Amino acid sequence: DQQVKQNSPSLSVQEGRISILNCDYTNSMFDYFLWYKKYPAEGPTFLISISSIKDKNEDGRFTVFLNKSAKHLSLHIVPSQPGDSAVYFCAASPLGGSNYKLTFGKGTLLTVNP
Amino acid sequence: DAGITQSPRHKVTETGTPVTLRCHQTENHRYMYWYRQDPGHGLRLIHYSYGVKDTDKGEVSDGYSVSRSKTEDFLLTLESATSSQTSVYFCAIRKGSASMNTEAFFGQGTRLTVV
Repeated sequence: DQQVKQNSPSLSVQEGRISILNCDYTNSMFDYFLWYKKYPAEGPTFLISISSIKDKNEDGRFTVFLNKSAKHLSLHIVPSQPGDSAVYFCAASPLGGSNYKLTFGKGTLLTVNP
Repeated sequence: DAGITQSPRHKVTETGTPVTLRCHQTENHRYMYWYRQDPGHGLRLIHYSYGVKDTDKGEVSDGYSVSRSKTEDFLLTLESATSSQTSVYFCAIRKGSASMNTEAFFGQGTRLTVV
């Protein structure tokens, strides 16, 4: 039972345009949502996060939107750059304590074409 | 650099042998995790720790055990390696608390091949 779903295995966009990556979740206990970027042969690196009390968080070219009623979040990258080409993972977590696990989706491979 | 070191970085082992992977942190973070990454599966949680000697299973824990005898080290053991355990293994650390959400930081990964 997949609690975090990224239904698009891949996405291709032109340099300078917007990239929109989507993520859905099923667990109502999730309280915190994160996006990670991963290059080949490297560990995932944290990109941006959002708490369930917010619906938008922005950091430079990256914006994450959260729709709690739809259990959906998205990552917008504007403008997209070739260096953004990587696998993007969506992750979700409940609040801390003994059950403080990060659950990941399967990832979306973003390719930004020059 | 988040102060995480995984060792070894690469290992080839034979089916049926025990293997131990080490994750070492210098951040004194409470939470530590072991994930495996496989094509088509993303990152799947094997085991995690929420304190010294406090560990719990993740979604793919069969065939794996862990130990955390001190804050800085989290060991993952494959009790009897099988070819299905060929994967890239990532350790992650996270500060966090009962009331604070934080991101996790990942190590560089260990590529394990079971032949």
